[in-house]
Amino acid sequence: LAKTTQPISMDSYEGQEVNITCSHNNIATNDYITWYQQFPSQGPRFIIQGYKTKVTNEVASLFIPADRKSSTLSLPRVSLSDTAVYYCLVGEGYGQNFVFGPGTRLSVLP
Amino acid sequence: KAGVTQTPRYLIKTRGQQVTLSCSPISGHRSVSWYQQTPGQGLQFLFEYFSETQRNKGNFPGRFSGRQFSNSRSEMNVSTLELGDSALYLCASSSERDEQFFGPGTRLTVL
Repeated sequence: LAKTTQPISMDSYEGQEVNITCSHNNIATNDYITWYQQFPSQGPRFIIQGYKTKVTNEVASLFIPADRKSSTLSLPRVSLSDTAVYYCLVGEGYGQNFVFGPGTRLSVLP
Repeated sequence: KAGVTQTPRYLIKTRGQQVTLSCSPISGHRSVSWYQQTPGQGLQFLFEYFSETQRNKGNFPGRFSGRQFSNSRSEMNVSTLELGDSALYLCASSSERDEQFFGPGTRLTVL
């Protein structure tokens, strides 16, 4: 199973763009990269998933370089409500291949 | 469509007892995964069921078991509860390679 490494915590201010980078050096050919957001006492919520290059949806962008050994989640113009823990996961998309690391605790300050 | 539901939301048990948690996946989803979340260990994968078969299992003792019914609803059981089993138990459902949708969790407290 591919292991991921992310910063333990990050601080940002409202309105700024936040980039959280995840390292996954031993990612396998069939693995996808998925990011989840979790608020206290709630289940994680899917943010975005990608395989290579760039993926964008209404809430975030995901940048994946050609070697796929890292990925960056970009949150544009964060607000206080974006304060949460963000998890980077690598796997084939099924539960058995997902290993949750400690995640990145993002604190958005006013 | 309705999300993943888990019952009960909160549960208090004593050491040595057993507990059964229930998860109803999103309609049409055949994969159900279970996770344990604690402050010390974070989110850990328990097992995953697909079409009533356990497809994979995490590194938990045999006291933790589960099953899936023909309607994709799933239950997990923990026998001989220990203090360390106190945690938030999360269920997630998915449709093949699609994203996993998590339920709100069951908060289990073992006294």
